Amino acid sequence: QVQLQQSGPGLVKPSQTLSLTCAISGDSVSSNSAAWNWIRQSPSRGLEWLGRTYYRSKWKNDYAVSVKSRISINPDTSKNQFSLQLSSVTPEDTAVYYCARDDDQGMNYFDYWGQGTLVTVSA
Amino acid sequence: EIVLTQSPATLSLSPGERATLSCRASQSVSSYLAWYQQKPGQAPRLLIYDASKRATGIPARFSGSGSGTDFTLTISSLEPEDFAAYYCQQRSNWPRTFGPGTKVDIK
Repeated sequence: QVQLQQSGPGLVKPSQTLSLTCAISGDSVSSNSAAWNWIRQSPSRGLEWLGRTYYRSKWKNDYAVSVKSRISINPDTSKNQFSLQLSSVTPEDTAVYYCARDDDQGMNYFDYWGQGTLVTVSA
Repeated sequence: EIVLTQSPATLSLSPGERATLSCRASQSVSSYLAWYQQKPGQAPRLLIYDASKRATGIPARFSGSGSGTDFTLTISSLEPEDFAAYYCQQRSNWPRTFGPGTKVDIK
């Protein structure tokens, strides 16, 4: 059974960097079939896919155009986890952030999710 | 970007009734559509994938249909635990996109 456990601060000041971590159990961040995603949810934007990291002979990333200039998603193989960094945040980045897995050899949709972290951007 | 629209925004029904939820895509997504259920304070839960396949452990009262641009999620007989928000999501194109959701509440 795959489990994703999120951690990170719930309050970030405007212009600073939002940082969250998602620890994986029951699978590997280096899996050749899984991808590790960040998705956020807010009343104004609904559910919004932000990006992913995955390993296919080498590490790869895909990012949403809306955040591409500000986002970085990185794996940590030593801890079997991955992280989200979103720079230059504004109040519009206030949302519940989720990590989620999708697997090419499985259903190929977001089948496992973290518990969610409410991140508020405020001074 | 593929835009998904869902209707109705809210569906008020009683336990035991049939629920029919709609999702429409701005262009064809073939059968690459999923449905998720979300309860307050929880992450979304995958119910249906590839338009009509039930995910592991999902009761048979949940069924999905459709292809191309028009899709339907049907709950044949609502149980008390089914009152929640439901979202569709496509994986035909990048970026992956979600619909705005349908809330099924108790009448």
